[in-house]
Amino acid sequence: SQTIHQWPATLVQPVGSPLSLECTVEGTSNPNLYWYRQAAGRGLQLLFYSVGIGQISSEVPQNLSASRPQDRQFILSSKKLLLSDSGFYLCAWSVDSSSYNEQFFGPGTRLTVL
Amino acid sequence: AQSVTQLDSHVSVSEGTPVLLRCNYSSSYSPSLFWYVQHPNKGLQLLLKYTSAATLVKGINGFEAEFKKSETSFHLTKPSAHMSDAAEYFCVVSGGAGNMLTFGGGTRLMVKP
Repeated sequence: SQTIHQWPATLVQPVGSPLSLECTVEGTSNPNLYWYRQAAGRGLQLLFYSVGIGQISSEVPQNLSASRPQDRQFILSSKKLLLSDSGFYLCAWSVDSSSYNEQFFGPGTRLTVL
Repeated sequence: AQSVTQLDSHVSVSEGTPVLLRCNYSSSYSPSLFWYVQHPNKGLQLLLKYTSAATLVKGINGFEAEFKKSETSFHLTKPSAHMSDAAEYFCVVSGGAGNMLTFGGGTRLMVKP
């Protein structure tokens, strides 16, 4: 069966510090991968998605970046965090780009920027 | 272009009474529609999905939803609420390049004893 992992589960970082959040998927090959952010009391905002190694599409311009160094690994990064980067970050995967296939979500990372 | 509107940001019901969470959508495609549930500080779990087969979709934990094209609605229902149903619920439409999901704003369901 497929599983998706995210770490760390929680993170507290000062403004201006770097960020690296990791997401890995097990039990499937060549998944589509997604990064979402959920601000307090709000819905999900798609940040990045990837259909293959090294292929990243950005949905929202910001100081975050994403990379996919391996087939089942998706990393969210920042060189300098802002207060507005605080939120709940969710990674998700799907089998392919068909709209019939649901996305499966990881447990999330709670990021607090002070 | 597609969008999702969840008509109630908060719904409160008593345990054992019916649940109705309302969702309306718009889409340029023949949409796939989903309901996800999120418990506090957890990821999202799929409750059910509609993908152009039967319009009445049954999901996990006794939830079901009916796709009504004429009303562009996909309301989520459950005959009898349990305390464990208290959570945030998201209505989602899928379509377009890369299987993009468009999320509604969410409905927080509270269940009173």
